[in-house]
Amino acid sequence: TQLLEQSPQFLSIQEGENLTVYCNSSSVFSSLQWYRQEPGEGPVLLVTVVTGGEVKKLKRLTFQFGDARKDSSLHITAAQPGDTGLYLCAPQGGGSNYKLTFGKGTLLTVNP
Amino acid sequence: NAGVTQTPKFRVLKTGQSMTLLCAQDMNHEYMYWYRQDPGMGLRLIHYSVGEGTTAKGEVPDGYNVSRLKKQNFLLGLESAAPSQTSVYFCASSATTVYGYTFGSGTRLTVV
Repeated sequence: TQLLEQSPQFLSIQEGENLTVYCNSSSVFSSLQWYRQEPGEGPVLLVTVVTGGEVKKLKRLTFQFGDARKDSSLHITAAQPGDTGLYLCAPQGGGSNYKLTFGKGTLLTVNP
Repeated sequence: NAGVTQTPKFRVLKTGQSMTLLCAQDMNHEYMYWYRQDPGMGLRLIHYSVGEGTTAKGEVPDGYNVSRLKKQNFLLGLESAAPSQTSVYFCASSATTVYGYTFGSGTRLTVV
């Protein structure tokens, strides 16, 4: 059974600060997706990382896939109130190419 | 706008009542999923479908049934609602998981 952990569970920061959240597993992934969920809405896909060591940037968000493909991080530069939400990672691995298991997420609050 | 539509958005049921949640997608996606989201538990897969006429059990299938008679629709049924089924239910669809899921905006169900 794959153990999936996201940290921190909660994060409250001031506008303009930088932050990093993490997704770690006991298993090797073939790929990993990050989603953001705003209050009252469903999760929305931010990025998919596929290659070990891969770094992808989406405006102020930087996503990194670990070299060993067992972990990933999301770094936000100069956070804004609009970044507030639940950040979920969803690794994909093994033979189940159509099912995703989601982490419990990091709930980020960016205060003005 | 293209996407996943869930109905209803809110519902209150009495213990023992039945209901059906409807999910419709207009993206011609093969795969569809039902998740429930509870505080501290994250998103948990209830049932999923890999194509019209097919269904399969996920992580927490007990007390739920599903049907996928048409490719664009995925129905989730509760035959005899229990307070433990109080949750927010999300439907999602995907062409393949590599391209990520598209989620609906959720149904908030309360069983009293």
